[in-house]
Amino acid sequence: AQKVTQAQTEISVVEKEDVTLDCVYETRDTTYYLFWYKQPPSGELVFLIRRNSFDEQNEISGRYSWNFQKSTSSFNFTITASQVVDSAVYFCALSEITGGTSYGKLTFGQGTILTVHP
Amino acid sequence: DTGVSQDPRHKITKRGQNVTFRCDPISEHNRLYWYRQTLGQGPEFLTYFQNEAQLEKSRLLSDRFSAERPKGSFSTLEIQRTEQGDSAMYLCASRPGLAGGTGELFFGEGSRLTVL
Repeated sequence: AQKVTQAQTEISVVEKEDVTLDCVYETRDTTYYLFWYKQPPSGELVFLIRRNSFDEQNEISGRYSWNFQKSTSSFNFTITASQVVDSAVYFCALSEITGGTSYGKLTFGQGTILTVHP
Repeated sequence: DTGVSQDPRHKITKRGQNVTFRCDPISEHNRLYWYRQTLGQGPEFLTYFQNEAQLEKSRLLSDRFSAERPKGSFSTLEIQRTEQGDSAMYLCASRPGLAGGTGELFFGEGSRLTVL
């Protein structure tokens, strides 16, 4: 069975601070996808990134960066110079790969509530 | 707005009543998903359609739950004889049926159910 653990329930930072959201996963699959989604107060989950299990290259997108370490089953997310608009619930998720693609059945973590204060 | 739309956004009902939620996916997406999210938790997979075919149902989907996608476009999720434990946000998502790509699911804003 797949499992995703986000140990940090809530994080509070002041604007411009860097913040890292932790994600640890468990799976018996040798190939899988990892995702991060953002859920603002409106409720709609917004896709941030997908990472393939066979690609451990870290990725940076603007103020966002992701650190994937297969050896420790972790996929951490860092926001550099946080802004008030980053306040949201962030979810890490895991998906098996079937036929070369994820068919959309995601296992989500419990989420981390990030509050960025001005 | 060409995103995933869900209706109603909020539903308050009494225990024992039936409720139905509707999801209109992005028009060119042939895959549609229902997830349930309770307070303080991540979404949990309920069921998945490819066109009109329901390909997988979670064990979370008891006999009181039924989902349909009759013409491969919009979908409905019906809960019969609601219980207080059914109170949750019901999320619909869709994606294109293409291999590869980002694997991104496009989520609606959800339908919040409160059972009194």
